[in-house]
Amino acid sequence: GAVVSQHPSWVICKSGTSVKIECRSLDFQATTMFWYRQFPKQSLMLMATSNEGSKATYEQGVEKDKFLINHASLTLSTLTVTSAHPEDSSFYICSARPELGHGYTFGSGTRLTVV
Amino acid sequence: GQQVMQIPQYQHVQEGEDFTTYCNSSTTLSNIQWYKQRPGGHPVFLIQLVKSGEVKKQKRLTFQFGEAKKNSSLHITATQTTDVGTYFCAGLKNDYKLSFGAGTTVTVRA
Repeated sequence: GAVVSQHPSWVICKSGTSVKIECRSLDFQATTMFWYRQFPKQSLMLMATSNEGSKATYEQGVEKDKFLINHASLTLSTLTVTSAHPEDSSFYICSARPELGHGYTFGSGTRLTVV
Repeated sequence: GQQVMQIPQYQHVQEGEDFTTYCNSSTTLSNIQWYKQRPGGHPVFLIQLVKSGEVKKQKRLTFQFGEAKKNSSLHITATQTTDVGTYFCAGLKNDYKLSFGAGTTVTVRA
């Protein structure tokens, strides 16, 4: 089945530094990928839609200058959390849809802890 | 904006019993999808419902889409310990973005 690979699985960084998270579709091309954030015991909140070859679309309340998204190829989208602060600590997950009319495949997620 | 409500938030079930989780949308959906997330894991796609009144079964799981395409349910019969996790419904309206419900976290007592 379709696989979305996400790295790293977990990362601890110091406050003020930046962290890059990669999301790759391994056996299909994804012109669109989605980035979510999930706080403990809560649902998935869509942060942004990553579009190959064009600018990402951000959801209301999500700072585009803080959460930089790059979708340079049909199989790779990256999310960079810039100048991270402890409140950015969360579980970040990407997803893509291998085929129209089918469900979405999620990456394994990245647990970010900012200290 | 589109909102998808899901209840109950928690479901503690005796092994072997049945339970149901419900989703309601404030707007008509083009389709609704269900996902399962195990503790510490990521959401895994279970099923998609598209047609009004559609009912689909996967072994002990029965999924239903309402006639107005605004509500859905997931019914699990004879709950097993492998059913532990959080079940999310997610609605799709006109675009490709999913709107997730709050999830129902299921725990099972043997």
